Amino acid sequence: EVQLVESGGGLVQPGRSLRLSCTASGFIFRDYAMSWFRQAPGKGLEWVGFIRSKAYGGTTDYGASVKGRFTISRDDSKTIAYLQMNSLKTEDTAVYYCTRDYCSGGSCPIPSDYWGQGTLVTVSS
Amino acid sequence: DIQMTQSPSSLSASVGDRVTITCRASQSISSYLSWYQQKPGKAPKLLIYTASSLQSGVPSRFSGSGSGTDFTLTISSLQPEDFATYYCQQSYSTPRTFGQGTKVEIK
Repeated sequence: EVQLVESGGGLVQPGRSLRLSCTASGFIFRDYAMSWFRQAPGKGLEWVGFIRSKAYGGTTDYGASVKGRFTISRDDSKTIAYLQMNSLKTEDTAVYYCTRDYCSGGSCPIPSDYWGQGTLVTVSS
Repeated sequence: DIQMTQSPSSLSASVGDRVTITCRASQSISSYLSWYQQKPGKAPKLLIYTASSLQSGVPSRFSGSGSGTDFTLTISSLQPEDFATYYCQQSYSTPRTFGQGTKVEIK
């Protein structure tokens, strides 16, 4: 059974850092890209970014609102994807989800087929 | 960035109704369009990928169609468990973008 479990959320002050983890099981982790999304309270879904599998270079892409502040990485030996969040702002307050993507070549025809339960990040003084 | 425009933003329907939600992309996205269902307090769930492929385990009353810029999600006979918010998402290019969501409520 595919499982994704996010952890690391909590209350943090503006300007500080936080690292989220997404622990995966039930599939061959190294074969999949991994994405992060967020959802602010009462709002829609926002793509944060993703990391490709090593087969496609393990490269990353980010949304404009987090680019330069957030970094996605992966440890295939531990089957964990990370979201390092620096210089946090109050507008980063949201539930953060990780997902897996089936990608082939330069495209992802089956994006986000499994989601974690989400972890809440609250940025407030 | 590719803008995704979803309509309507909300609708009221009865059990057994046929429901159609549309999603329009600001430029061609081929068939790289997915539909998700989200219930309150829960993570989204993939329903449809590549515009018309039904995700494993999703009831056949859900279907998707379209290509290029115009897409449709249809629920052929609305069931009580289908009352939720639905989102379209393009994965043609990054940043991936979503429609604003359609809340399906009980009439």
